[in-house]
Amino acid sequence: EDKVVQSPLSLVVHEGDTVTLNCSYEVTNFRSLLWYKQEKKAPTFLFMLTSSGIEKKSGRLSSILDKKELFSILNITATQTGDSAIYLCAVVRGGSEKLVFGKGTKLTVNP
Amino acid sequence: DAGVIQSPRHEVTEMGQEVTLRCKPISGHDYLFWYRQTMMRGLELLIYFNNNVPIDDSGMPEDRFSAKMPNASFSTLKIQPSEPRDSAVYFCASSGVGGYTFGSGTRLTVV
Repeated sequence: EDKVVQSPLSLVVHEGDTVTLNCSYEVTNFRSLLWYKQEKKAPTFLFMLTSSGIEKKSGRLSSILDKKELFSILNITATQTGDSAIYLCAVVRGGSEKLVFGKGTKLTVNP
Repeated sequence: DAGVIQSPRHEVTEMGQEVTLRCKPISGHDYLFWYRQTMMRGLELLIYFNNNVPIDDSGMPEDRFSAKMPNASFSTLKIQPSEPRDSAVYFCASSGVGGYTFGSGTRLTVV
Protein backbone atom coordinates (compact mmCIF):
# COMPACT_ATOMS: atom_id res chain seq x y z
CA GLU A 1 0.00 0.00 0.00
CA ASP A 2 1.31 3.45 -0.91
CA LYS A 3 2.35 5.52 2.08
CA VAL A 4 3.29 9.16 2.60
CA VAL A 5 4.60 10.39 5.95
CA GLN A 6 5.12 14.03 6.74
CA SER A 7 7.02 15.56 9.61
CA PRO A 8 6.71 17.42 11.80
CA LEU A 9 2.94 17.32 12.20
CA SER A 10 2.97 20.88 13.43
CA LEU A 11 5.46 23.69 13.74
CA VAL A 12 5.34 27.14 15.31
CA VAL A 13 7.95 29.73 14.31
CA HIS A 14 8.48 33.49 14.35
CA GLU A 15 8.43 35.70 11.30
CA GLY A 16 11.78 35.67 9.58
CA ASP A 17 12.65 32.12 10.57
CA THR A 18 13.54 29.48 7.98
CA VAL A 19 11.62 26.19 8.08
CA THR A 20 12.13 22.77 6.52
CA LEU A 21 9.21 20.41 6.08
CA ASN A 22 9.80 16.74 5.41
CA CYS A 23 8.00 14.16 3.33
CA SER A 24 8.98 10.50 3.02
CA TYR A 25 7.16 8.01 0.85
CA GLU A 26 6.78 4.41 -0.15
CA VAL A 27 5.07 3.91 -3.48
CA THR A 28 5.14 1.30 -6.20
CA ASN A 29 6.33 2.67 -9.52
CA PHE A 30 6.82 6.26 -8.37
CA ARG A 31 5.98 8.91 -10.94
CA SER A 32 5.95 12.26 -9.17
CA LEU A 33 5.67 14.07 -5.83
CA LEU A 34 3.61 17.17 -5.32
CA TRP A 35 3.48 19.84 -2.62
CA TYR A 36 0.31 21.77 -1.81
CA LYS A 37 -0.52 24.63 0.55
CA GLN A 38 -3.91 24.56 2.25
CA GLU A 39 -5.21 27.60 4.04
CA LYS A 40 -8.89 27.78 4.81
CA LYS A 41 -10.23 26.08 1.74
CA ALA A 42 -8.86 24.01 -1.11
CA PRO A 43 -5.26 22.87 -1.40
CA THR A 44 -3.36 25.02 -3.87
CA PHE A 45 -0.52 23.65 -5.94
CA LEU A 46 3.07 24.58 -5.11
CA PHE A 47 5.49 22.20 -6.82
CA MET A 48 5.70 18.98 -8.76
CA LEU A 49 8.93 17.01 -8.55
CA THR A 50 9.84 14.08 -10.75
CA SER A 51 13.65 14.02 -10.85
CA SER A 52 16.16 13.68 -8.04
CA GLY A 53 18.42 16.53 -7.10
CA ILE A 54 16.74 19.26 -9.14
CA GLU A 55 15.55 22.10 -6.94
CA LYS A 56 12.27 23.77 -7.75
CA LYS A 57 12.02 27.35 -6.54
CA SER A 58 9.28 29.93 -6.28
CA GLY A 59 10.13 33.06 -4.34
CA ARG A 60 10.93 32.11 -0.77
CA LEU A 61 9.80 28.51 -1.27
CA SER A 62 11.94 25.73 -2.66
CA SER A 63 11.73 21.97 -2.82
CA ILE A 64 13.92 19.07 -3.76
CA LEU A 65 13.42 15.34 -4.23
CA ASP A 66 15.69 12.41 -3.36
CA LYS A 67 14.44 9.33 -5.17
CA LYS A 68 17.13 7.11 -3.73
CA GLU A 69 16.26 7.89 -0.12
CA LEU A 70 12.55 8.34 -0.95
CA PHE A 71 11.98 11.77 0.51
CA SER A 72 11.42 15.38 -0.32
CA ILE A 73 11.84 18.61 1.62
CA LEU A 74 10.05 21.91 1.33
CA ASN A 75 12.00 24.95 2.52
CA ILE A 76 10.53 28.33 3.33
CA THR A 77 12.96 31.16 4.04
CA ALA A 78 12.18 34.45 5.78
CA THR A 79 8.76 33.19 6.82
CA GLN A 80 5.79 35.57 6.97
CA THR A 81 2.47 35.27 8.79
CA GLY A 82 0.85 34.60 5.42
CA ASP A 83 2.81 31.35 5.19
CA SER A 84 0.69 29.94 8.02
CA ALA A 85 -1.13 26.97 6.53
CA ILE A 86 -1.17 23.20 6.27
CA TYR A 87 1.43 21.96 3.81
CA LEU A 88 0.52 18.71 2.09
CA CYS A 89 2.75 16.28 0.27
CA ALA A 90 1.32 13.77 -2.22
CA VAL A 91 2.73 11.10 -4.50
CA VAL A 92 1.50 9.74 -7.82
CA ARG A 93 2.37 6.30 -9.10
CA GLY A 94 2.94 5.50 -12.74
CA GLY A 95 -0.13 4.34 -14.61
CA SER A 96 -2.47 6.13 -12.23
CA GLU A 97 -3.71 9.65 -11.76
CA LYS A 98 -4.65 9.44 -8.12
CA LEU A 99 -2.77 11.36 -5.46
CA VAL A 100 -1.90 9.72 -2.14
CA PHE A 101 -1.55 12.41 0.50
CA GLY A 102 0.34 12.64 3.74
CA LYS A 103 -1.47 14.06 6.76
CA GLY A 104 0.22 17.40 6.36
CA THR A 105 2.36 19.74 8.43
CA LYS A 106 0.54 22.59 10.13
CA LEU A 107 2.80 25.64 10.07
CA THR A 108 2.04 28.65 12.26
CA VAL A 109 4.12 31.78 11.77
CA ASN A 110 3.79 34.27 14.62
CA PRO A 111 4.58 37.97 14.20
CA ASP B 1 -12.21 29.79 -15.97
CA ALA B 2 -14.24 29.44 -12.76
CA GLY B 3 -12.25 26.46 -11.57
CA VAL B 4 -13.78 23.37 -10.01
CA ILE B 5 -17.19 24.26 -8.61
CA GLN B 6 -18.70 22.38 -5.70
CA SER B 7 -22.08 22.75 -4.06
CA PRO B 8 -23.28 23.19 -1.47
CA ARG B 9 -20.49 24.90 0.48
CA HIS B 10 -21.93 23.72 3.77
CA GLU B 11 -24.45 21.02 4.57
CA VAL B 12 -25.92 20.15 7.93
CA THR B 13 -28.19 17.14 8.02
CA GLU B 14 -29.67 14.70 10.46
CA MET B 15 -28.45 11.17 10.79
CA GLY B 16 -30.27 8.85 8.40
CA GLN B 17 -30.93 11.48 5.75
CA GLU B 18 -29.66 11.31 2.20
CA VAL B 19 -26.95 13.78 1.25
CA THR B 20 -25.92 14.68 -2.30
CA LEU B 21 -22.76 16.63 -3.04
CA ARG B 22 -22.20 18.12 -6.48
CA CYS B 23 -19.18 18.96 -8.57
CA LYS B 24 -18.53 20.67 -11.88
CA PRO B 25 -14.98 20.01 -13.10
CA ILE B 26 -12.87 22.32 -15.20
CA SER B 27 -13.88 22.08 -18.83
CA GLY B 28 -11.50 19.87 -20.78
CA HIS B 29 -10.22 17.98 -17.74
CA ASP B 30 -10.69 14.27 -18.27
CA TYR B 31 -10.13 13.10 -14.68
CA LEU B 32 -12.39 13.80 -11.72
CA PHE B 33 -11.64 12.86 -8.11
CA TRP B 34 -13.61 12.84 -4.87
CA TYR B 35 -11.62 13.23 -1.63
CA ARG B 36 -12.65 13.36 2.01
CA GLN B 37 -10.64 15.29 4.60
CA THR B 38 -10.76 14.80 8.36
CA MET B 39 -8.38 15.76 11.14
CA MET B 40 -7.73 12.12 11.98
CA ARG B 41 -7.20 10.68 8.53
CA GLY B 42 -6.16 13.64 6.41
CA LEU B 43 -7.09 13.71 2.72
CA GLU B 44 -8.34 10.36 1.47
CA LEU B 45 -9.27 9.52 -2.10
CA LEU B 46 -12.75 8.04 -2.33
CA ILE B 47 -13.16 7.48 -6.07
CA TYR B 48 -11.94 8.80 -9.38
CA PHE B 49 -13.27 8.89 -12.93
CA ASN B 50 -11.59 9.06 -16.30
CA ASN B 51 -13.74 10.25 -19.20
CA ASN B 52 -16.82 9.78 -16.99
CA VAL B 53 -15.98 6.14 -16.22
CA PRO B 54 -15.18 5.13 -12.60
CA ILE B 55 -11.62 3.81 -12.51
CA ASP B 56 -10.89 3.21 -8.84
CA ASP B 57 -13.51 3.22 -6.09
CA SER B 58 -11.48 1.30 -3.55
CA GLY B 59 -11.54 4.29 -1.21
CA MET B 60 -15.33 4.41 -0.93
CA PRO B 61 -15.91 3.52 2.71
CA GLU B 62 -19.03 1.40 2.35
CA ASP B 63 -22.19 0.83 0.37
CA ARG B 64 -23.79 3.92 1.80
CA PHE B 65 -21.53 5.94 -0.50
CA SER B 66 -22.07 6.15 -4.25
CA ALA B 67 -20.75 8.44 -6.97
CA LYS B 68 -21.84 9.11 -10.52
CA MET B 69 -20.58 11.09 -13.44
CA PRO B 70 -23.37 11.21 -16.03
CA ASN B 71 -21.44 13.59 -18.29
CA ALA B 72 -18.12 15.40 -18.56
CA SER B 73 -19.33 18.47 -16.70
CA PHE B 74 -21.07 17.03 -13.66
CA SER B 75 -20.55 14.53 -10.87
CA THR B 76 -22.36 13.67 -7.66
CA LEU B 77 -21.36 11.94 -4.45
CA LYS B 78 -24.28 10.55 -2.51
CA ILE B 79 -24.41 9.27 1.05
CA GLN B 80 -27.52 7.32 2.03
CA PRO B 81 -28.16 7.00 4.90
CA SER B 82 -25.77 9.51 6.42
CA GLU B 83 -24.10 8.95 9.80
CA PRO B 84 -22.29 11.34 12.19
CA ARG B 85 -18.95 9.74 11.32
CA ASP B 86 -19.41 10.96 7.73
CA SER B 87 -18.88 14.52 8.95
CA ALA B 88 -15.89 15.88 7.03
CA VAL B 89 -14.91 18.23 4.23
CA TYR B 90 -15.46 16.63 0.85
CA PHE B 91 -13.31 17.90 -2.01
CA CYS B 92 -13.76 17.39 -5.70
CA ALA B 93 -10.74 17.82 -7.96
CA SER B 94 -10.18 17.55 -11.67
CA SER B 95 -7.06 17.11 -13.72
CA GLY B 96 -5.98 17.40 -17.29
CA VAL B 97 -3.13 18.80 -19.32
CA GLY B 98 -3.03 21.95 -17.19
CA GLY B 99 -2.62 20.10 -13.92
CA TYR B 100 -4.63 19.17 -10.86
CA THR B 101 -7.17 21.61 -9.35
CA PHE B 102 -9.28 21.29 -6.23
CA GLY B 103 -12.70 22.75 -5.62
CA SER B 104 -13.42 24.72 -2.45
CA GLY B 105 -15.00 21.74 -0.75
CA THR B 106 -18.30 20.94 0.94
CA ARG B 107 -18.27 20.90 4.73
CA LEU B 108 -20.71 18.18 5.78
CA THR B 109 -21.98 17.92 9.33
CA VAL B 110 -24.24 15.02 10.24
CA VAL B 111 -25.96 15.43 13.60
